[in-house]
Amino acid sequence: QKEVEQNSGPLSVPEGAIASLNCTYSDRVSQSFFWYRQYSGKSPELIMSIYSNGDKEDGRFTAQLNKASQYVSLLIRDSQPSDSATYLCAVIGDKIIFGKGTRLHILP
Amino acid sequence: ETGVTQTPRHLVMGMTNKKSLKCEQHLGHNAMYWYKQSAKKPLELMFVYNFKEQTENNSVPSRFSPECPNSSHLFLHLHTLQPEDSALYLCASSLNPTVDYSNQPQHFGDGTRLSIL
Repeated sequence: QKEVEQNSGPLSVPEGAIASLNCTYSDRVSQSFFWYRQYSGKSPELIMSIYSNGDKEDGRFTAQLNKASQYVSLLIRDSQPSDSATYLCAVIGDKIIFGKGTRLHILP
Repeated sequence: ETGVTQTPRHLVMGMTNKKSLKCEQHLGHNAMYWYKQSAKKPLELMFVYNFKEQTENNSVPSRFSPECPNSSHLFLHLHTLQPEDSALYLCASSLNPTVDYSNQPQHFGDGTRLSIL
């Protein structure tokens, strides 16, 4: 069974610090990787996509992909209270599979 | 309107009722998806439609019946549901996923919160 694993959290990070979210996946042929943010009672919102090994930066967000180790991570710099949400990792091989999500709580 | 719109936002129904969920996308996308999101479980992909044709059915019980009359509209017809079907049902759309889903991120609606009595 192909799986995507995330630590459910909650992950508590002080405001202004770096939040690090991790995701591992089992399907070696996975090609596309996405991070979604979901506020409570709201729909998932795409915040980052990454397709090749290495880092991809967009504002305060950096996605990191290591296909050899089968993990993808999301770093949030200068964390803000508004970053408090559940972060979903989605991995696409022959089908799309979501992780259960990590709850992030930014402490003011 | 922009984005992906789902109606109703909340639905309470008995196990013998018949109801339908509606999804409409204004993004010019070709593919539409139904997902189920239950507490403490990952998003579960239910159905995929690409250019109005169903391309994926992930072993969903027949009490859920999707309909896609065109690339902008998607319905989920519900009948004889069970209490374990209570969940958030999310619709999403994307550009044509072609052979696979690579490079085609999905955009989600706000979902319908379904409660089965």
